[in-house]
Amino acid sequence: AQSVAQPEDQVNVAEGNPLTVKCTYSVSGNPYLFWYVQYPNRGLQFLLKYITGDNLVKGSYGFEAEFNKSQTSFHLKKPSALVSDSALYFCAVRDILLRNAGNMLTFGGGTRLMVKP
Amino acid sequence: GAGVSQSPSNKVTEKGKDVELRCDPISGHTALYWYRQSLGQGLEFLIYFQGNSAPDKSGLPSDRFSAERTGGSVSTLTIQRTQQEDSAVYLCASSPQGQGRTDTQYFGPGTRLTVL
Repeated sequence: AQSVAQPEDQVNVAEGNPLTVKCTYSVSGNPYLFWYVQYPNRGLQFLLKYITGDNLVKGSYGFEAEFNKSQTSFHLKKPSALVSDSALYFCAVRDILLRNAGNMLTFGGGTRLMVKP
Repeated sequence: GAGVSQSPSNKVTEKGKDVELRCDPISGHTALYWYRQSLGQGLEFLIYFQGNSAPDKSGLPSDRFSAERTGGSVSTLTIQRTQQEDSAVYLCASSPQGQGRTDTQYFGPGTRLTVL
C-alpha cells in the first residue's frame, strides 16, 4: 500500500519570504514522488518529480523539493514567494514496484498556499 | 501541442440519470487515467488504460461506474443511475508510456459533475 500525508491544510506566507509545503509518504518499496499545483477551476499542473539521483529536484516557476529517505519526506520549497503562487498544492507518490500499487498515483489531501502582499 | 481536453467542463444532472464524461488525451500518449476529486475524499484513482491491455479498474467505487477507451485514444467515463455522492470533479490524465513508472501524468481541466 502507498500513502501520502500533507499535514498542513493551509500555509500562509508573506510575499518575498521563503515557503515550505510539507509532504511525507509511505510505500512498500522505493518511491517516485511528484508535486502538482492546481489553480482555481483548473486541472493539476505538473511542477516537479523525484525519480532517482540528486535529492534536490528543481522544477517549474522556481520551485524545488528535497527527497529525504530517512524521514520519508518530499517537502516543496521556494526561496521567495510570489502572490501568484497562491494555489492548491498536491504531493503524490507511486511505488517503483509495479506489483505493489500498479501505475496509479496516490495523492495527499492538498495544501492551500496563501501568499499575501 | 494541445494538452489533455475534457468535455463537458460542467455537467448538472438529476439523481438517477446516466452521464458520460469524455477525455481526449495528449496525442501519442498510450496511458490514460481517470481520477475523482471531491471535498471529502480528495483525489482518488478510478481507472487506468494502457494500450490494448485490460484496464486496471481497481479504483472504481461501484458497478455504476464504467469506462472505455476506443482506438487507444479517446476515453468515456460513464456513471449510471447517478447519486448525489457522485458529485465531484472528474479529472483525466495521460502519460507517454504508462509502463514506464517514471512517466509524468498530465492532467486535463476536469469535468465538474453536480448531481441534484
